[in-house]
Amino acid sequence: AQSVTQLGSHVSVSEGALVLLRCNYSSSVPPYLFWYVQYPNQGLQLLLKYTTGATLVKGINGFEAEFKKSETSFHLTKPSAHMSDAAEYFCAVSDRNDYKLSFGAGTTVTVRA
Amino acid sequence: DGGITQSPKYLFRKEGQNVTLSCEQNLNHDAMYWYRQDPGQGLRLIYYSQIVNDFQKGDIAEGYSVSREKKESFPLTVTSAQKNPTAFYLCASSVTSGGNIQYFGAGTRLSVL
Repeated sequence: AQSVTQLGSHVSVSEGALVLLRCNYSSSVPPYLFWYVQYPNQGLQLLLKYTTGATLVKGINGFEAEFKKSETSFHLTKPSAHMSDAAEYFCAVSDRNDYKLSFGAGTTVTVRA
Repeated sequence: DGGITQSPKYLFRKEGQNVTLSCEQNLNHDAMYWYRQDPGQGLRLIYYSQIVNDFQKGDIAEGYSVSREKKESFPLTVTSAQKNPTAFYLCASSVTSGGNIQYFGAGTRLSVL
């Protein structure tokens, strides 16, 4: 099974500052990669995903992520944080011959005014 | 509107009691999943089903049971054998091809009285 590591359980940024959330996976074969967002007491919503092709993936709400095979990473960024970005973010991966997901432990983002 | 409906939103369990969490989807997805979410641990897979009348254990199936009698429905029973049931439970569904997106319900928060 895939292993997913999210560095930093909490990230605090100022409004307008860069948001950077880190995700590393364990597989030597590039998996499918996902970022989900969860607002308090709600389910998860897909931000973006990488399956094949261009390694820079753009998602909703101004987020993007870059797949780096050499670093086994899929870090999530947003150039300018908004108060509405305060939420918990999960990185998830699945093997290419599977449809189940393995999730990271999550990173909680707080945005300071 | 298409989506996944979980009920109830909040549930309380007494000692020795079995409780059932409902999950219904109208997305015509073959696969359905149950996850348990605890603070700082991400999502852990309890059970999953890729077709009616068939389901498999996930990583933490002990103390839980499921059924899949209809494509639209995948109820989860938390039995009295689950000694630490307090958590947020999320249901999801997807197609069964690789790189698929899992769609999530809004969750059920289970607490012990």
